[in-house]
Amino acid sequence: EAGVAQSPRYKIIEKRQSVAFWCNPISGHATLYWYQQILGQGPKLLIQFQNNGVVDDSQLPKDRFSAERLKGVDSTLKIQPAKLEDSAVYLCASSGMGHLNTEAFFGQGTRLTVV
Amino acid sequence: QKEVEQNSGPLSVPEGAIASLNCTYSDRGSQSFFWYRQYSGKSPELIMFIYSNGDKEDGRFTAQLNKASQYVSLLIRDSQPSDSATYLCAVNEKAGGFKTIFGAGTRLFVKA
Repeated sequence: EAGVAQSPRYKIIEKRQSVAFWCNPISGHATLYWYQQILGQGPKLLIQFQNNGVVDDSQLPKDRFSAERLKGVDSTLKIQPAKLEDSAVYLCASSGMGHLNTEAFFGQGTRLTVV
Repeated sequence: QKEVEQNSGPLSVPEGAIASLNCTYSDRGSQSFFWYRQYSGKSPELIMFIYSNGDKEDGRFTAQLNKASQYVSLLIRDSQPSDSATYLCAVNEKAGGFKTIFGAGTRLFVKA
């Protein structure tokens, strides 16, 4: 079974520039998550999709971050304009339906450095 | 109050000892609970999940859940240096689709 694919693995941009990350979840997984993990901290949920609908985006800074999952499969997360504090690893995860044992499988992450 | 709280550590134990990691959560409607291990520079990987009160054992790992106290723990028996990592507690909150919320993680060092 192929895992969660993310690209790029690394990205360095200047502040005020824009950047986009891509994620392809495990085949058949309806739920897709984007997490932000700042060095030394746990993953922070930015947005959760169920198929192509948004379940939770309460922690997404909507003035600069946007995410979409148009066909209910792969997803993109965009930051525009980037700030220094956006430097972090952006993790995409997916899980199947159901609530009891909905383990999240993670991609390798995209390490973003804003300079 | 943070939704999922963990002691950040570091927790240091000698090789062969029992490591005990603790986690508390705030949402009483939470349904399922997960322990993930994260090595430095890597993504989290699932160790165990538990959703019933009591203990659940898997090899050297035992997860313990007490919903009344809103407390979940992970015991690692016969700790090995390869167990040195950050351990993340995650909780599926009952909020429109059971979003998964993570704690900040506890860093564990196992000394050879």
